[in-house]
Amino acid sequence: GAGVSQSPSNKVTEKGKDVELRCDPISGHTALYWYRQRLGQGLEFLIYFQGNSAPDKSGLPSDRFSAERTGESVSTLTIQRTQQEDSAVYLCASSLTGEANTEAFFGQGTRLTVV
Amino acid sequence: KQEVTQIPAALSVPEGENLVLNCSFTDSAIYNLQWFRQDPGKGLTSLLLIQSSQREQTSGRLNASLDKSSGRSTLYIAASQPGDSATYLCAVDTGGFKTIFGAGTRLFVKA
Repeated sequence: GAGVSQSPSNKVTEKGKDVELRCDPISGHTALYWYRQRLGQGLEFLIYFQGNSAPDKSGLPSDRFSAERTGESVSTLTIQRTQQEDSAVYLCASSLTGEANTEAFFGQGTRLTVV
Repeated sequence: KQEVTQIPAALSVPEGENLVLNCSFTDSAIYNLQWFRQDPGKGLTSLLLIQSSQREQTSGRLNASLDKSSGRSTLYIAASQPGDSATYLCAVDTGGFKTIFGAGTRLFVKA
């Protein structure tokens, strides 16, 4: 497909378990973003990758969260020792460049439920 | 199709000035509207979130208003500072995980 792809679309996990979320950006897009959206709330920025530059991790809420990206391809967001407060939709977006005036394309999200 | 427009595209003001950034959207059926700040080489920092039922939100020197019926939002920055220099993005949540961003207003505050 030509869009941003995220997997899984839904994930239910037990509190304390680790989870890994995957994002396949649009081919050729150098910028990739992870956001979190809690129920009824707006987007919460988590992390930003731009090409081969060091990622901007300033939005990660705790050291249980980490993300990797290999070059300009797939990214994985890992949450260790999940807590119920981690339940949210995790959205990935990519854009052609990191410039603010380029459109960001969002995936459909991964709905994470921690029970 | 929802379209989000931000005016002006760029703005340069002297330090201390109050300023208004504008955002308009074509479809009033929104869940919320969010203002972000983006610094060069960085991700997005959320500034203010206005739910569709609200008319304004304030945080420090920032005030955002929302008029859903007319499809407009404004971000007011009081007593601007050089550290406010960044690109400001307006984003509309239309539901279904589709957030539409405006193209941004690039702000430069001169010392």
